[in-house]
Amino acid sequence: EDQVTQSPEALRLQEGESSSLNCSYTVSGLRGLFWYRQDPGKGPEFLFTLYSAGEEKEKERLKATLTKKESFLHITAPKPEDSATYLCAFVSGNTGKLIFGQGTTLQVKP
Amino acid sequence: DAGVIQSPRHEVTEMGQEVTLRCKPISGHNSLFWYRQTMMRGLELLIYFNNNVPIDDSGMPEDRFSAKMPNASFSTLKIQPSEPRDSAVYFCASSLIAMETQYFGPGTRLLVL
Repeated sequence: EDQVTQSPEALRLQEGESSSLNCSYTVSGLRGLFWYRQDPGKGPEFLFTLYSAGEEKEKERLKATLTKKESFLHITAPKPEDSATYLCAFVSGNTGKLIFGQGTTLQVKP
Repeated sequence: DAGVIQSPRHEVTEMGQEVTLRCKPISGHNSLFWYRQTMMRGLELLIYFNNNVPIDDSGMPEDRFSAKMPNASFSTLKIQPSEPRDSAVYFCASSLIAMETQYFGPGTRLLVL
């Protein structure tokens, strides 16, 4: 069964304190991995798409990486405005559906 | 581009009433998705359309839910009759083609009393 697990559920960081969010998956025939950011009261905002193991993408303080079993979202020197819930999702090769993890809620304190 | 547009943004209704949620996808996108988000279950796919045709509605919780896409620029999700357990945030998303990046609307926050 296709499954996505994100950890930790919640993360508190001090401004400037780098860390990583984890997204592990069991998916039949991975067709793509997506990272989204969601602010309270808003829809998920697209960040990255990764398609193959070893692929990396960067945007400002964020870097996403992908292996055969998991993906990481690395946050370097975070700022308070990086506070949000970060969602990862996989496209199942069997169903074509986007399967979301439960998310990691990040709080960055000044 | 204006992005995915949803209306209304908030809806409060009483149990038993009909609720209609509306979505306008990004122009040129051929796939449209309806999701429901709750604290307990996270984001769940309800149904998706490809070129205005419903492809997979296995996520629709029961017959009280129905969705239509009469043309490429408009879709509705209807709940009739509504129940308190339908209270959630409903998102519409669109993509150029299925399995590609989906772009989400701002959501409709539904409260059924």
